[in-house]
Amino acid sequence: EADIYQTPRYLVIGTGKKITLECSQTMGHDKMYWYQQDPGMELHLIHYSYGVNSTEKGDLSSESTVSRIRTEHFPLTLESARPSHTSQYLCASYRGTEAFFGQGTRLTVV
Amino acid sequence: QQPVQSPQAVILREGEDAVINCSSSKALYSVHWYRQKHGEAPVFLMILLKGGEQKGHEKISASFNEKKQQSSLYLTASQLSYSGTYFCGTETGNTGNQFYFGTGTSLTVIP
Repeated sequence: EADIYQTPRYLVIGTGKKITLECSQTMGHDKMYWYQQDPGMELHLIHYSYGVNSTEKGDLSSESTVSRIRTEHFPLTLESARPSHTSQYLCASYRGTEAFFGQGTRLTVV
Repeated sequence: QQPVQSPQAVILREGEDAVINCSSSKALYSVHWYRQKHGEAPVFLMILLKGGEQKGHEKISASFNEKKQQSSLYLTASQLSYSGTYFCGTETGNTGNQFYFGTGTSLTVIP
């Protein structure tokens, strides 16, 4: 059983609000990734990190930021939520090339 | 960057076989396969490394053609529990630093 946790599981928030999605893993993995996934669709890479103080942008990074101050923690922040941000957000940490996913945060922006 | 999977969707009867393909426009360092059930996170199935192939499960296996930059997932004698969306994940570059997931294949097994 993978030890990677995301909070909250579900979030409904108003347009313009700033939100932070939390992701924590206790496996000591250096590589952590954030993906956005609409129901039944592919996973789009938002941001990734190779370790502490390392962050890189993916394909959908323009409206969000991440930080990696500690190995186990990789939060994703949306500065100003919009309805187009409504989606599921999945965090993953990698052991080599094997990904362990959190249960996801389902975000609805109204 | 994103690998393309085919078919997009497939419906099988229990006991039938299926093949899911994953093609990349970039040279691949490794390919991994995941299955995602509705409402759940993707779960790792297996990994194939450059220069070799690996079987993850008895009735689910995969191949990796480095020249064609393709991988195929083979599901034999499908079971109801195989239903879900299958994603390939690719690692590109000589040092294998970039991970991308494919477009996904929805597989439904019916009795």
